[in-house]
Amino acid sequence: AQTVTQSQPEMSVQEAETVTLSCTYDTSESDYYLFWYKQPPSRQMILVIRQEAYKQQNATENRFSVNFQKAAKSFSLKISDSQLGDAAMYFCAYRSLRYMRFGAGTRLTVKP
Amino acid sequence: KAGVTQTPRYLIKTRGQQVTLSCSPISGHRSVSWYQQTPGQGLQFLFEYFSETQRNKGNFPGRFSGRQFSNSRSEMNVSTLELGDSALYLCASRDLGDYEQYFGPGTRLTVT
Repeated sequence: AQTVTQSQPEMSVQEAETVTLSCTYDTSESDYYLFWYKQPPSRQMILVIRQEAYKQQNATENRFSVNFQKAAKSFSLKISDSQLGDAAMYFCAYRSLRYMRFGAGTRLTVKP
Repeated sequence: KAGVTQTPRYLIKTRGQQVTLSCSPISGHRSVSWYQQTPGQGLQFLFEYFSETQRNKGNFPGRFSGRQFSNSRSEMNVSTLELGDSALYLCASRDLGDYEQYFGPGTRLTVT
């Protein structure tokens, strides 16, 4: 079964600093996508970044970038120049044709 | 385009009752998925519908059911409610061929 593991229940970062959230996954499928979602206190799930498994190049969206290591089944999220508005729960997610699985989440606190 | 909408946003029910939640996908999206989010179990996949047919199903008891209408709107039904069914129920829609999902704001169900 596909599983997604986020080993950091909580992380903290100083405003303007950089933080990396970890995610590993387990799968035997070859065609899949990986996502990072942000869930602020409003509970609205917001897509932060996506990575297609067939692409070797790491995805980047403004201050957000990923380090995708397919062989190691690792998919970490780097947030640069952290802002107060980045404070939220972050979920790593795996999506194939049949399944979508989420990690347990990492609560990110941003200190002013 | 309008986003995914869910109604109602909040609901309080009593054990043993049944409940129906509604989800309207983004215009043009034909796939609708449902998720349950609880503090203990995290985000869990319930089922996915496409063209009025259930395509994928998570590991939930038969008390949880759903359907999709010809306009792609979807409903989720939970019968014989239990205290453990208290959760945030999220709906997400996607375009076929696209792995990316867009989430609604959720329905907060409280069972007393």
